[in-house]
Amino acid sequence: EPEVTQTPSHQVTQMGQEVILRCVPISNHLYFYWYRQILGQKVEFLVSFYNNEISEKSEIFDDQFSVERPDGSNFTLKIRSTKLEDSAMYFCASHVMNTEAFFGQGTRLTVV
Amino acid sequence: AQSVTQPDIHITVSEGASLELRCNYSYGATPYLFWYVQSPGQGLQLLLKYFSGDTLVQGIKGFEAEFKRSQSSFNLRKPSVHWSDAAEYFCAVGEGSYKLIFGSGTRLLVRP
Repeated sequence: EPEVTQTPSHQVTQMGQEVILRCVPISNHLYFYWYRQILGQKVEFLVSFYNNEISEKSEIFDDQFSVERPDGSNFTLKIRSTKLEDSAMYFCASHVMNTEAFFGQGTRLTVV
Repeated sequence: AQSVTQPDIHITVSEGASLELRCNYSYGATPYLFWYVQSPGQGLQLLLKYFSGDTLVQGIKGFEAEFKRSQSSFNLRKPSVHWSDAAEYFCAVGEGSYKLIFGSGTRLLVRP
């Protein structure tokens, strides 16, 4: 069964460092998303991406964040200068039109 | 703005007992509705979805949910809970092909 793959599963980084979280969506999917879940809290939308551009972004998705689909298969989330409050589980998701989103297993980001 | 309310933060049931998890949403049009389950440290797995048609939808693992437009509800039910059902359950509303808005989750504990 096709699945969304995220790497790494866990990333520890120093405050102020840049991190790139990687996702390989399901191959025929067209819509891509990043969500965030701070420990013990609900899942929050960060950004949606379609046709090689951002469709929508939340207030959380400020200038420190960027997304890219560099090669037609990978979908990345970059945080330029990490802060302690960026520590969270980050989920990638994808889907085709009018279907449910499939989520990856997540990357746990710990900023120290 | 769209929102999802899961009024129960924790629910404890005995194994074999029936279960109902509540979800209310606020959305102007006909919503796309979802229930996801998350085991500790894991990703989000789709249990079931409602897009249109029959308001009683069947999902995986013996779960079902009923869409009640008049009550703006999409409650999740299972007739007999198994110990392996212990997890966090998230209700979500979707805007067409775009983002999901999640509720804050209900943690299910199962007594042996």
